Amino acid sequence: EVQLVESGGGLVQPGGSLRLSCAASGFTFSSYAMTWVRQAPGKGLEWVSSISSGGANTYYADSVKGRFTISRDNSKNTLYLQVNSLRAEDTAVYYCAKAPAGRYYFDYWGQGTLVTVSS
Amino acid sequence: EIVLTQSPATLSLSPGERATLSCRASQSVSSYLAWYQQKPGQAPRLLIYDASNRATGIPPRFSGSGSGTDFTLAISSLEPDDFAVYYCQQRSNWPLTFGGGTKVEIK
Repeated sequence: EVQLVESGGGLVQPGGSLRLSCAASGFTFSSYAMTWVRQAPGKGLEWVSSISSGGANTYYADSVKGRFTISRDNSKNTLYLQVNSLRAEDTAVYYCAKAPAGRYYFDYWGQGTLVTVSS
Repeated sequence: EIVLTQSPATLSLSPGERATLSCRASQSVSSYLAWYQQKPGQAPRLLIYDASNRATGIPPRFSGSGSGTDFTLAISSLEPDDFAVYYCQQRSNWPLTFGGGTKVEIK
């Protein structure tokens, strides 16, 4: 059974940093691209960042470019999102999601981790 | 950036009725469009990928059609479990983008 479990969210002040993690199981993690998608309270879905299966290729939304860094450790079956210089508008539930066979739609999602940016 | 516009924003229907949801792209995305269902407090669930392919475990009352810039998600006969928000998403170009969503509510 595919499982994706996010962690690392919390309350942080503007300008602060967090590292989000997504622990994967039930599939060959190193064979699949992975993605972070976020959802602000009461709003729609927003793609944040994606990484290829081996980690060589990364992609970012303009809204987070230069502040967020996606990475993965295939030996630990874990996806990461380093989020720096946080702003109030980054407040959201952050989901990790698996992309099948390098095609960037998302067949499995985690339950999400909430990041709240507030003073 | 490819903008996806979903309509209507809200669809009020009764169980057993047919639902037709639209997603229009600002430029061609070929057939690289997916549909998701999201219920309150839950993660999205993939329904349709590449415009017309049902994901694993999705019942046949859900169908997708379209190509280029105009796409449709149809639910042939609404069941109580289908009242939710539906999003489209394109994977044709970076950045990946989602539509704003259509809420299907009970009339």
